[in-house]
Amino acid sequence: KQEVTQIPAALSVPEGENLVLNCSFTDSAIYNLQWFRQDPGKGLTSLLLIQSSQREQTSGRLNASLDKSSGRSTLYIAASQPGDSATYLCAVREGQGAQKLVFGQGTRLTINP
Amino acid sequence: DGGITQSPKYLFRKEGQNVTLSCEQNLNHDAMYWYRQDPGQGLRLIYYSQIVNDFQKGDIAEGYSVSREKKESFPLTVTSAQKNPTAFYLCASRKVLNTEAFFGQGTRLTVV
Repeated sequence: KQEVTQIPAALSVPEGENLVLNCSFTDSAIYNLQWFRQDPGKGLTSLLLIQSSQREQTSGRLNASLDKSSGRSTLYIAASQPGDSATYLCAVREGQGAQKLVFGQGTRLTINP
Repeated sequence: DGGITQSPKYLFRKEGQNVTLSCEQNLNHDAMYWYRQDPGQGLRLIYYSQIVNDFQKGDIAEGYSVSREKKESFPLTVTSAQKNPTAFYLCASRKVLNTEAFFGQGTRLTVV
């Protein structure tokens, strides 16, 4: 059974720092991995999608990498801002025939002005 | 604007009552999903549907029911058999197998 783990559960950093969020998964037979952002009491906003054949994806100050063989993904946030404060979730889509996303429990990020 | 609309935003259920959560999308997506989110447990899949008139149970389907009569609509009914329904419910959709999943803004259900 696929399990997704995100460490740390919470992270607090001063504004302007570059930071890395981690996501690991137990079964490397994934189709893709998606990073989401969730603000308190809100739905999920898609940030980046990495297909299993890709190594990384970039969007603005965000860069996500994928190492399928080791079961790991990282989300790099450059020059963090208070508006980046949110919970960040990663999810993997499992192998052929499966349609569900398996989620980690998230990293709650706080950027201090 | 294209997107996923969930309603209501807040819902209160009395003991023994069935309630229905609405999810509508105008993205022309084929697959739709319902997830439940509890503090400290992440998101868990309740039901999903890949095409109209077809749906599959997820990991925690007991006490829930769904229908998919139209491509754009995937309502979730929380029945009285669901013993602990208080949670945040999220609906999602995607176009084809390897594309992004998009989520609605959620419905918070509370038992009173």
